[in-house]
Amino acid sequence: ELKVEQNPLFLSMQEGKNYTIYCNYSTTSDRLYWYRQDPGKSLESLFVLLSNGAVKQEGRLMASLDTKARLSTLHITAAVHDLSATYFCAVDPPTSGTYKYIFGTGTRLKVLA
Amino acid sequence: DTAVSQTPKYLVTQMGNDKSIKCEQNLGHDTMYWYKQDSKKFLKIMFSYNNKELIINETVPNRFSPKSPDKAHLNLHINSLELGDSAVYFCASSLTGRPNYGYTFGSGTRLTVV
Repeated sequence: ELKVEQNPLFLSMQEGKNYTIYCNYSTTSDRLYWYRQDPGKSLESLFVLLSNGAVKQEGRLMASLDTKARLSTLHITAAVHDLSATYFCAVDPPTSGTYKYIFGTGTRLKVLA
Repeated sequence: DTAVSQTPKYLVTQMGNDKSIKCEQNLGHDTMYWYKQDSKKFLKIMFSYNNKELIINETVPNRFSPKSPDKAHLNLHINSLELGDSAVYFCASSLTGRPNYGYTFGSGTRLTVV
């Protein structure tokens, strides 16, 4: 069964600093998604990564996918308070036909002013 | 316009009661899902419907019964509610063959069983 692990689970960082969140998964897949969730809110799509070596950037966030290592990273550059949220990666198993994303455990990010 | 809408947003009920949550999407998607998010924020799929047909039915107690009257609607009925059912339930939708779109989530229903 596909397992998706994120680390760290909690991250407290100073504004202006850089950091990386890691998402490891146990079964081959070339479909990986990153979502953001603010407290009490829904999940907002951040990035869609659909091939090995895919890299997407939006503002201070950059996501990449290495399907051979079964690893995706979400890099935060010069963090600001507004980035405080919980970040989830989700993997679409190759046999699921997009019927079943498996979510990671989530990384709760707090950016301190 | 709301893309995926769930009602109610909050639901507080006593143990043993029966309740329903409704979900509707206006995106033209053909697949809908129910996910449960527990108190530790962990998200787990419960059900998936494609064109009104049940595709995924994870190991969920049979007190939970989904129904999809059409592609745009997916409801969740829960019988004999238990304390452990307290969670946030998210509805989501997607379009088959369009992995680049990903899932669109509803705003969630926070269920509290007392």
